[in-house]
Parts: sequence; C-alpha cells; structure tokens
Amino acid sequence: GESVGLHLPTLSVQEGDNSIINCAYSNSASDYFIWYKQESGKGPQFIIDIRSNMDKRQGQRVTVLLNKTVKHLSLQIAATQPGDSAVYFCAENSLHYGGATNKLIFGTGTLLAVQP
Amino acid sequence: EAQVTQNPRYLITVTGKKLTVTCSQNMNHEYMSWYRQDPGLGLRQIYYSMNVEVTDKGDVPEGYKVSRKEKRNFPLILESPSPNQTSLYFCASSFSSGSYEQYFGPGTRLTVT
Repeated sequence: GESVGLHLPTLSVQEGDNSIINCAYSNSASDYFIWYKQESGKGPQFIIDIRSNMDKRQGQRVTVLLNKTVKHLSLQIAATQPGDSAVYFCAENSLHYGGATNKLIFGTGTLLAVQP
Repeated sequence: EAQVTQNPRYLITVTGKKLTVTCSQNMNHEYMSWYRQDPGLGLRQIYYSMNVEVTDKGDVPEGYKVSRKEKRNFPLILESPSPNQTSLYFCASSFSSGSYEQYFGPGTRLTVT
C-alpha cells in the first residue's frame, strides 16, 4: 500500500549508528508524551512514554528526552538496525483541549531510513 | 493474541455508496477510537468511545458515524462517502479513558472515486 512516509522529513542513518528523532509539541499544559513507531503497511506501535515531571526515560535501546522549556521531545535509538526503519510519531495528551481524557494529538512524523 | 482487527483492509468504492469499516478488539478495553491518516497531516481523531453506548466527536467527525453497542466492536460508518474521505483509517483501543497507551489496528485503505 501507499507509504505514509512519502511527504515526511527523513532521517537517514547507517546501521549501527545512533539515531535522534526530534519533535516539537505545541501545548505547554500537556503532561504526557508518547513515541510511536509505524512500519510500512502497519498501524502505529507504542515505543516509550514519558510524563512531564521527568526529563529522561530509558527503554531497551531507546531513550526519550523531554525539554519543557522549549517544548521539545526527542527519541534516541542506540545502535540503529534495519528493523528500526519506520515512521516515528510523537504524541502529546490534550487534557487542555476541552478536558477529554485519553485524547492524543499526533505529530506528522519522521521517516527513519537505515542504510545497511 | 491480543489485537485490534479491522475489516476490510482495502476498499475502493464510489461516491455516495454507504459503507462500514469494522473494528474489533479482544482485550476487554473500554476506550476505542477512530483516526484517519493523511500525508502531511498525521493522525487525526474522528470519533471516540469511552465505553458501551458512549461516543463523542473527535477533531474531524463530519461525514462519519459510529456506534458502540458492544464493548469489543466499534464500527465506522460512512453514510455517503465522498472523495475527500479517501484516506488510511486506523482503529485504536486502550484499557480505559485514563490510559494513554493505545493499541492500533492494521489500518484500512479507503479510496472513494
């Protein structure tokens, strides 16, 4: 099927290098952030999350950094592998927008291309 | 296997012909949601449901309907599809309305001619 990555910014890295994917969020009142990975032809898959009372959170080969001062979020992938090739989305909660719980606002995504 | 399923995965239809995209989850999740994904616009929420018989509009509800008669199913209905509804649609679910980790289905590629 058509790739959702056709119109996205692209980060190209060599296999084994570290990748850093950046995201700017819009709402200073957001208190929860998630990174999703979307492989071609599949739905988004949860990677890691972070709450606004934290600056950093680590998972397996991934680290999320949150800078609330400049409303910036980054996802670091260590030792990038071909299987990491996908579109990566950040999402922020939107309790500020009408008070509805569990409503996420998604970024447009970044295509990560891993070169062997 | 815990999953969200959608049917059909691909659909080509004509303007005005009513269609339904089904969504089902087997995780006993209370919260379900529909999104559309368009190039350059990311994922936008169409409708969501916090529990059986409770549904509400998302950001782009025009031209869509939903129902939640059972906990596991959340069909998306297009009464009179138009070409601007050509998109990639995702259903998602989570344990509760207070749980942000959403599980997504595989997507439905809809083309309206």
